[in-house]
Amino acid sequence: AQKVTQAQTEISVVEKEDVTLDCVYETRDTTYYLFWYKQPPSGELVFLIRRNSFDEQNEISGRYSWNFQKSTSSFNFTITASQVVDSAVYFCALRTVELIQGAQKLVFGQGTRLTINP
Amino acid sequence: DVKVTQSSRYLVKRTGEKVFLECVQDMDHENMFWYRQDPGLGLRLIYFSYDVKMKEKGDIPEGYSVSREKKERFSLILESASTNQTSMYLCASSPRLRTAGNTIYFGEGSWLTVV
Repeated sequence: AQKVTQAQTEISVVEKEDVTLDCVYETRDTTYYLFWYKQPPSGELVFLIRRNSFDEQNEISGRYSWNFQKSTSSFNFTITASQVVDSAVYFCALRTVELIQGAQKLVFGQGTRLTINP
Repeated sequence: DVKVTQSSRYLVKRTGEKVFLECVQDMDHENMFWYRQDPGLGLRLIYFSYDVKMKEKGDIPEGYSVSREKKERFSLILESASTNQTSMYLCASSPRLRTAGNTIYFGEGSWLTVV
């Protein structure tokens, strides 16, 4: 079975601090994809990043960076120099390539509510 | 721009009422999904559809049904709403995996309160 765990329910930091959101996953598949989504107060989930299981290279996009480590089944997300606009709920998700009638299925973690205080 | 639109942002319904949640996507995606979001549980898949008139149960289909008569529209139906169905419902769509990218796009969500 696939499972995603985000152990941090809520995180609160002061603006400009760095913050890391943890994500640990479980799967027996050798090929899979990991995602991070951001959910601002408006409700819509915004896609941030997709990473496949064969690519362990870390990725940086502006103030965002992701650390994928297969050895520990983790896909952590770091925001550097956080800003108030980063306040949101962040979800980590797992998708395996096992297709159900051509439709992929995402398994989500519980989400981490991040609050950046001015 | 990718667009998934959920017709109702906030609904309040009475126990036992029949409830329709509507979702429309304008990207010609084959796949559409309904998720439910609850605190501490993340998002859980209720149903999905991979083609018109085709549907598959997700992880928590009990108490729900769906309808997909047109490619762009996917409806979630609560035949007899109960208070434990008070939640936020998110619709999503994606292209068929082998033909295009594999990102799932979400709507803004519908907050349903059953009293």
